Amino acid sequence: QSALSQPPSASGSPGQSVTISCTGSSTDIGGYNYVSWYQHHPGKAPRLILYEVFKRPSGVPDRFSGSKSGNTASLTVSGLQTDDEGDYYCSSHAGSNSLVFGGGTSLTVL
Amino acid sequence: QLQESGPGLVKPSETLSLTCSVSSGSISSSNYFWGWVRQPPGKGLEWIGSVYFSGRGSYSPSLSGRATIFTDTSRNQFSLRLTSVTAADTAVYYCARISWIIWGLDVWGRGTAVSVSS
Repeated sequence: QSALSQPPSASGSPGQSVTISCTGSSTDIGGYNYVSWYQHHPGKAPRLILYEVFKRPSGVPDRFSGSKSGNTASLTVSGLQTDDEGDYYCSSHAGSNSLVFGGGTSLTVL
Repeated sequence: QLQESGPGLVKPSETLSLTCSVSSGSISSSNYFWGWVRQPPGKGLEWIGSVYFSGRGSYSPSLSGRATIFTDTSRNQFSLRLTSVTAADTAVYYCARISWIIWGLDVWGRGTAVSVSS
């Protein structure tokens, strides 16, 4: 059960869009449509922003969107705002009631 | 809604014990698993494991059988026990609710820092 692979950093200017990838294998991302994304600001609890690849919990703006192709999932943040700065993590169901996380991507809004 | 508690300092080779108190909803709900995630300094989130209200648990293989998660339904709490700790277990530990319907962690605690040092 290896960690999912994410780029360590991403950046964009206010108003722009940025996409963060999350690559796994056929035993996690490729095998299930149970990919979630979390936003994490240091010192705070992580926040679920997407589940089942592209679905948004109540209260999450539609600027956050998700997709999946094969073993890779993606998070796109459109109309970047300064509040979007933080760390983003993907996770996937990995069978046998287990989960696996990505290494995290630090998003900077320039 | 979730609050972690436990010692902030544990000696090497000893057992780390943390408790998560659930203040909203019942830990006996069949809709959820209850889990632990940690973040070592400067690193990303790491899945530790989870438990169902029935007591059935699932754990990350990377912990080599050192982790146990169990529930206390009378107190609406669940706990993590990690044996034979080393400095590599130093981390912020988060408890979380996992909706098995979506396999996502929809409620998190704020985390508690644990350092392993003599």
